Amino acid sequence: GDSVTQMEGPVTLSEEAFLTINCTYTATGYPSLFWYVQYPGEGLQLLLKATKADDKGSNKGFEATYRKETTSFHLEKGSVQVSDSAVYFCALAENDMRFGAGTRLTVKP
Amino acid sequence: GAVVSQHPSRVICKSGTSVKIECRSLDFQATTMFWYRQFPKKSLMLMATSNEGSKATYEQGVEKDKFLINHASLTLSTLTVTSAHPEDSSFYICSAREAGAVYGYTFGSGTRLTVV
Repeated sequence: GDSVTQMEGPVTLSEEAFLTINCTYTATGYPSLFWYVQYPGEGLQLLLKATKADDKGSNKGFEATYRKETTSFHLEKGSVQVSDSAVYFCALAENDMRFGAGTRLTVKP
Repeated sequence: GAVVSQHPSRVICKSGTSVKIECRSLDFQATTMFWYRQFPKKSLMLMATSNEGSKATYEQGVEKDKFLINHASLTLSTLTVTSAHPEDSSFYICSAREAGAVYGYTFGSGTRLTVV
């Protein structure tokens, strides 16, 4: 079945550092891909999404490109801030939505 | 934008009692709703998928008699944890998908269940 493999971390970075969180997927069809963010004690917030190959999702300085050839959807940000500290989930959706293990990011001043 | 309201946000119950969690789509009709469970510092695990007016489809390993799901209308789905035990303590999150919106999933804010 469909699945998502995500770099688990935790990841600790200094403010203004470059962020990459790897995500690869396995799917039988043509899924949509998503990144969600979860702050402590809260639900999920959609960060960005891409619905077909070569699409780039972007939001709040974060970007991810749907790479069908490598079945990947890596999350990147050029300069992280302390407020970006959270858990990030990669997800794919065909008939339902499946999540990766989540990556905890801590950004230090 | 689409909004999903989930209640209660937190609930504490005694072992052996039942707890009902509601998930409502406020400004759209959700033909399909999903229920997830999240253990501490873990990912979201899909428990079941419910389509309005039909029986829910449960994922392998999820006890359908313990986790009762009802999706009686296009705006409301409920998850009832029956005869709750401490091991049922978890964070439960619902998600709703609008008819025809294949890629549009809206999540509720989650329910923290603690069974004592």
